[in-house]
Amino acid sequence: QQQVKQSPQSLIVQKGGISIINCAYENTAFDYFPWYQQFPGKGPALLIAIRPDVSEKKEGRFTISFNKSAKQFSLHIMDSQPGDSATYFCAAEYNFNKFYFGSGTKLNVKP
Amino acid sequence: DSGVTQTPKHLITATGQRVTLRCSPRSGDLSVYWYQQSLDQGLQFLIQYYNGEERAKGNILERFSAQQFPDLHSELNLSSLELGDSALYFCASSGEGGEQFFGPGTRLTVL
Repeated sequence: QQQVKQSPQSLIVQKGGISIINCAYENTAFDYFPWYQQFPGKGPALLIAIRPDVSEKKEGRFTISFNKSAKQFSLHIMDSQPGDSATYFCAAEYNFNKFYFGSGTKLNVKP
Repeated sequence: DSGVTQTPKHLITATGQRVTLRCSPRSGDLSVYWYQQSLDQGLQFLIQYYNGEERAKGNILERFSAQQFPDLHSELNLSSLELGDSALYFCASSGEGGEQFFGPGTRLTVL
């Protein structure tokens, strides 16, 4: 059973546009929701994370929106740039040892 | 640079062989996680160690085993290798904050 469902699988956005990646979960015990960015041949790197006591967190052009009642969270990349082209993974964690990743979204930002 | 190191960077071996992948966590991090990432696939959680003890187990095959040593470095042992074991293997470490920091990965090719 997939604990965290991520969509879309791939995304093409024009430079300057908004990229939106969605994730959904079932387990209400999750209490930490990070997003990771991975470039080809590299390890994933933490991009931004949120805890369920807030509905939104913004860091530069990256925003997480969190809907606790719907058990959904999403990553918004404003003013998308070609350098943002990468694979993005959402994740959910509880108890510091139950960590589940989404299946990943391959983002391609066209110049 | 995440502070997590993995060796070797690349490994080419034959079916039926056994290999050992090594990971050194960030200074002070007690938790080490191992993940498998096949071509264009998501991250499959294999196993987690915390301060030398196994804490959580994911989709780890019986042919695979891991351990964490007193100096907190960890090794992932893969035996009776099959073609399908070819993948990127990532190690991540985390501290009390829960955020996982990934190493650069070991690319395993089984011929």
